[in-house]
Amino acid sequence: AQTVTQSQPEMSVQEAETVTLSCTYDTSESDYYLFWYKQPPSRQMILVIRQEAYKQQNATENRFSVNFQKAAKSFSLKISDSQLGDAAMYFCAYYAGGTSYGKLTFGQGTILTVHP
Amino acid sequence: ETGVTQTPRHLVMGMTNKKSLKCEQHLGHNAMYWYKQSAKKPLELMFVYNFKEQTENNSVPSRFSPECPNSSHLFLHLHTLQPEDSALYLCASSPGGGHPSGANVLTFGAGSRLTVL
Repeated sequence: AQTVTQSQPEMSVQEAETVTLSCTYDTSESDYYLFWYKQPPSRQMILVIRQEAYKQQNATENRFSVNFQKAAKSFSLKISDSQLGDAAMYFCAYYAGGTSYGKLTFGQGTILTVHP
Repeated sequence: ETGVTQTPRHLVMGMTNKKSLKCEQHLGHNAMYWYKQSAKKPLELMFVYNFKEQTENNSVPSRFSPECPNSSHLFLHLHTLQPEDSALYLCASSPGGGHPSGANVLTFGAGSRLTVL
């Protein structure tokens, strides 16, 4: 079975600085999808960024970028120029693809605090 | 309204009560899901519906009973719950229906915070 591990329960960063959240996963599949979701306090979870395993190029979305290391099964999220609004719980998630609709496997989450 | 709406946002119930959680999506999606989010645990998939048909029941106890009358609405009926069932219950939707690139992108609701006394 697939597993997703986020080894950092909590992280903190100063406003305008850069922070990297770690995620590792275990799978025997060769084609799959990886996601980072953000859950602000008392607000709904939203998709931050996604990566298709067959793409070698790392995904980027404005200040958010990933470092996808397929061989190492590592998928870290880098947040540049951190803002107060980035404070949230961040979840890494894995999806095997195919017809397993919505069957994402989530990590335990990392709470990110942004200090002004 | 747009997106995925869940009601109620907060619910407190006794172990002998019967209550229901409601989810509605206005995205034209064909697949809907219930996830359970407990403190310090990964999100747990509970149920998946695709075109109103249940395609996944992740060994959920029968005290949780889902209902999907159409592709836009999803309910979770609750009865004789236990205190350990207290959690945030998240509804999500996705395009589903065999859409290869969109089927896996979930849109979540804000959740229903359930407390069982």
